[in-house]
Amino acid sequence: KQEVTQIPAALSVPEGENLVLNCSFTDSAIYNLQWFRQDPGKGLTSLLLIQSSQREQTSGRLNASLDKSSGRSTLYIAASQPGDSATYLCAVTSGTYKYIFGTGTRLKVLA
Amino acid sequence: DTGVSQDPRHKITKRGQNVTFRCDPISEHNRLYWYRQTLGQGPEFLTYFQNEAQLEKSRLLSDRFSAERPKGSFSTLEIQRTEQGDSAMYLCASSLDGTGPPDTEAFFGQGTRLTVV
Repeated sequence: KQEVTQIPAALSVPEGENLVLNCSFTDSAIYNLQWFRQDPGKGLTSLLLIQSSQREQTSGRLNASLDKSSGRSTLYIAASQPGDSATYLCAVTSGTYKYIFGTGTRLKVLA
Repeated sequence: DTGVSQDPRHKITKRGQNVTFRCDPISEHNRLYWYRQTLGQGPEFLTYFQNEAQLEKSRLLSDRFSAERPKGSFSTLEIQRTEQGDSAMYLCASSLDGTGPPDTEAFFGQGTRLTVV
């Protein structure tokens, strides 16, 4: 059974710092991995999708890497801003075609 | 196209009542998912459709839950005889995937917040 874990559960950093969020999964036979952002009480916003054959994806200040063999992905956020404060979720698809989510990392960027 | 749309955004109901939620996916997206999310947790899978066919249902989806996607466009999720434990955010997502494994982004709606009192 696929399980997804995100560490840390919460993170508070001063504005301008570079930071790394971690996601690990137990079954390396994934189709893809997607990172999402969720603001309080809102739905999920897609940030980056990494196919199983890819090693990384970049969008603006965000860079996501994937090491399928070790069951890990990282989301790197450069030059963090208060507007980046949100919960970040990673999800993988494997086996059947549904997404399996971690419990998220709550990020607070202090001005 | 403005993305995945869910209605209503909020619903308060008394225990034992039936509720129905609607999801309008992104136009031409053939795959549609329903998820449930409780406070502090990641979304949990409920069910998904490939066009109008419901291909998988979670064990979380008890007999009180039913989902439909009659014409392969919008979908409804009905909960009968609601219980306090049904209080959660119900999220819908869609993607443009063929019949094989997902290889495109899934886009989520803003969710329907259900409170059972």
